[in-house]
Amino acid sequence: DAMVIQNPRYQVTQFGKPVTLSCSQTLNHNVMYWYQQKSSQAPKLLFHYYDKDFNNEADTPDNFQSRRPNTSFCFLDIRSPGLGDAAMYLCATSRDRASHEQFFGPGTRLTVL
Amino acid sequence: GENVEQHPSTLSVQEGDSAVIKCTYSDSASNYFPWYKQELGKGPQLIIDIRSNVGEKKDQRIAVTLNKTAKHFSLHITETQPEDSAVYFCAARNGVTGGGNKLTFGTGTQLKVEL
Repeated sequence: DAMVIQNPRYQVTQFGKPVTLSCSQTLNHNVMYWYQQKSSQAPKLLFHYYDKDFNNEADTPDNFQSRRPNTSFCFLDIRSPGLGDAAMYLCATSRDRASHEQFFGPGTRLTVL
Repeated sequence: GENVEQHPSTLSVQEGDSAVIKCTYSDSASNYFPWYKQELGKGPQLIIDIRSNVGEKKDQRIAVTLNKTAKHFSLHITETQPEDSAVYFCAARNGVTGGGNKLTFGTGTQLKVEL
C-alpha cells in the first residue's frame, strides 16, 4: 500500500546532541511537510517542500533544518535539541501544489534527556 | 494569518448518541476545511473535508457543515461507537496565492464515547 513512513517511531537524544528524523513516501507526491506536535496541542508546521523548493515558516527556530535529497525522502535535522524540542514530529505529503489533502505519517516521538 | 478556534476541548458522550464539534476561522480567503482524527500515538488521519463551494457533506455516520458567512464549520458524528474515541482536529487552508497548501489547525477536541 502507498504510504508515508517515519523512522524511527521513537527517538531518544541527549540535550545538545544532534538528531535526524526521517520520512519516506511511496505516494510519489510532490509536496512534503514537517510538523511539530507537542502534548495536547495542534500540529504546528515547521517547513515544507514543493519538489526541491524549500519553504520555511517564519517562526521555525534556526535549530531546525531539513533536507530532501529526492522525491521519496525528507529529513528533519535538529542541530542542538533542547528540552523544549521534545515532541511528536509528523511528516505529511500532498500530491502537488493544487492538492488540498495531506497524508500524515505515524510520527516520531522525540525525547530529550 | 489564519486563526482557527475549536470547541469544546473535551467531549464525552454515551455510545449511540451524537457528537458535534465546532470550529471558527478568521480568514475569509480560506477555501478548504478538513477534519482529522488522531488516535493515541498515531498520526492524524483525514476523515472528511469540505470545500468552500459546498455547504454540507456527509459520509455514513460523519457529516460536516460549513457556514461561509459566519466563518464556522462543524463536525457531526451520529450513532457514536467506542472506536470513535480519539482527538479530532479541524483545519483551514488559505487558498490565496502564496498561502500555498498550508493548513492551520484548531486546538483539538478529545472525544470519549462511553459504554
